[in-house]
Amino acid sequence: EDKVVQSPLSLVVHEGDTVTLNCSYEVTNFRSLLWYKQEKKAPTFLFMLTSSGIEKKSGRLSSILDKKELFSILNITATQTGDSAVYLCAVCTTSGTYKYIFGTGTRLKVLA
Amino acid sequence: ETGVTQTPRHLVMGMTNKKSLKCEQHLGHNAMYWYKQSAKKPLELMFVYSLEERVENNSVPSRFSPECPNSSHLFLHLHTLQPEDSALYLCASSQDQGSIQYFGAGTRLSVL
Repeated sequence: EDKVVQSPLSLVVHEGDTVTLNCSYEVTNFRSLLWYKQEKKAPTFLFMLTSSGIEKKSGRLSSILDKKELFSILNITATQTGDSAVYLCAVCTTSGTYKYIFGTGTRLKVLA
Repeated sequence: ETGVTQTPRHLVMGMTNKKSLKCEQHLGHNAMYWYKQSAKKPLELMFVYSLEERVENNSVPSRFSPECPNSSHLFLHLHTLQPEDSALYLCASSQDQGSIQYFGAGTRLSVL
């Protein structure tokens, strides 16, 4: 059965800290891995990763995929209170039809 | 604003009621999705429509009935729900299957 596991489940840090969120997966027919940020309701897209070793970067956020070890990390540097959210990892698979398997998310709280 | 609009934002219904959730996307996408998000559980994919045809039905009980009258609109018709159906129902769209998904803000459903 396809599975996506995120760790830690929750994290509390202070402003300015750097955090690393983890996403490991066991799926068949991997197509891509996606990261989302969910603050109140709608998850908002952060990154889509398809190739190993190529870092995607957007401001203070970056992510990388390791297709050999089957995991991805999401880094946030110089955290701000506005980074407080649930971060979701999803893996898209394809075997006839496309499926998106989500992890349970990591809840990040950044204290001022 | 993600370009995906869901109504209503909140819904309280009794187990004998019939109601519908609506989703509209203004992104020109070809695929639309319904997800269920329960507390401390991963997003569960319920239904997938591509070019207005249902391509995925993940063993969802028949008390949930989707409808996709055109590529911009998706409905979820609800009848004789159970209290365990209380959750956040998220709609998403993507350019094609396997592409980045953009989510609406969701409908918070409470079944009494």
